Order: sequence, then structure tokens, then C-alpha cells
Amino acid sequence: AQSVAQPEDQVNVAEGNPLTVKCTYSVSGNPYLFWYVQYPNRGLQFLLKYITGDNLVKGSYGFEAEFNKSQTSFHLKKPSALVSDSALYFCAVRDPDTGFQKLVFGTGTRLLVSP
Amino acid sequence: NAGVTQTPKFQVLKTGQSMTLQCAQDMNHEYMSWYRQDPGMGLRLIHYSVGAGITDQGEVPNGYNVSRSTTEDFPLRLLSAAPSQTSVYFCASSSPGHVWGEQYFGPGTRLTVT
Repeated sequence: AQSVAQPEDQVNVAEGNPLTVKCTYSVSGNPYLFWYVQYPNRGLQFLLKYITGDNLVKGSYGFEAEFNKSQTSFHLKKPSALVSDSALYFCAVRDPDTGFQKLVFGTGTRLLVSP
Repeated sequence: NAGVTQTPKFQVLKTGQSMTLQCAQDMNHEYMSWYRQDPGMGLRLIHYSVGAGITDQGEVPNGYNVSRSTTEDFPLRLLSAAPSQTSVYFCASSSPGHVWGEQYFGPGTRLTVT
């Protein structure tokens, strides 16, 4: 069965510093991987995805993520954090051998960026 | 486009009551889903639909019913509310072009069952 783990409940970073939000996954085949962001009292918004190709994928708002097959990880990164990046971040994985709706989400990591 | 809309935003129910959470999308997406979000558990799929007249169960379907009579609407019915159904409910939609997993989410309905 596919699964995804976000080992940190919360990540604290100062504005202007680089940030990393960690995600590891488990699927039987080659994974489709996603990051979503949730701002307070809002629904989830798609940030970026990895399907195939370059291991470094770029997404919205200056975020990027690095796919590492050997470590089964898909960490979210940003070179310089903004206070407005403070939100709840979800990693998700889909096994391409299953139906499209079998998107499994992690438990979420809260990012707090201090001024 | 309004995207994905959900009503109501907040609801308080007593145990045993029934209600319907409304979801509508104006993007002509074929695929629609319902998730519940609970602290420390991420999002879990309740039911989903791949088109009008077609629905299927997700990970946690018990206590919920859905129907899809039109492309636009995908209501979620709580048959007899229980405190365990206290949660935030999200509706999402996507198109066949987004089969990789990119979904559009509504703003959510916060439900409390007492």
C-alpha cells in the first residue's frame, strides 16, 4: 500500500532563511508526488508535482522540491522564506498503478516563518 | 470562475441528525471527491465520482452517502450524525487532463456534532 510520512509537525524558520519541509514516501512502483499548501480557513492549493524527468521540480511561489529515489524522499524547499509562507503543507503520493483518486496525503507540516 | 464552492461554511448538528453538505464546481471537471481533514491525520478520501451517475467509495465511506446527478454538483449526505464525524470536509475536483493528481479544493465545511 502506498503511504507518505511527514516527520515534522512544525518547522520554524526566520524570514530570509532557506526552508525545508520533509516528506518520505512508500509505493510499489514509480511514484507520482505532490505538494499542497493550506492557508488558514482555506482549502488546499496545488504547489508542485513530480511525475517523471528532472529530479528538481519548480512550483508556485518560488517553491521547489527534490525527488530522491534512493532515499524515497520528496522534500519541499525554498531559498528564502517569507512570513507569508506560513501555512500548513501537505505531501501526497499516488501509485500510478492505482486509480487517479488514490491520492494519499501525509499528516501535514506547519511552517512558521518569523519576521 | 468561482472554482469549487461549498456550503455551509460551518454547521453544528446533534447526534442522530442528518444533513447534506453541498459542493459545486464551474470548471466542467468530470472528477469530484470528498475528503475529511482531522488533526494529525491529514486528508482522507470519503467518496469520489468520475462522472455524472458514477460514484465510488474511498477510504472512510461509512456514515456518508453521495450522488452525482450533474457534472457540477456532488453533495455529501450524513445519514445519522455521530460525534466521530466532527471534522472539516473538503470537496475537490479535477479533469481528465489532471489525472496525475492535481486537484482543486473548495474552502471547506467545518462540522461539529454534539
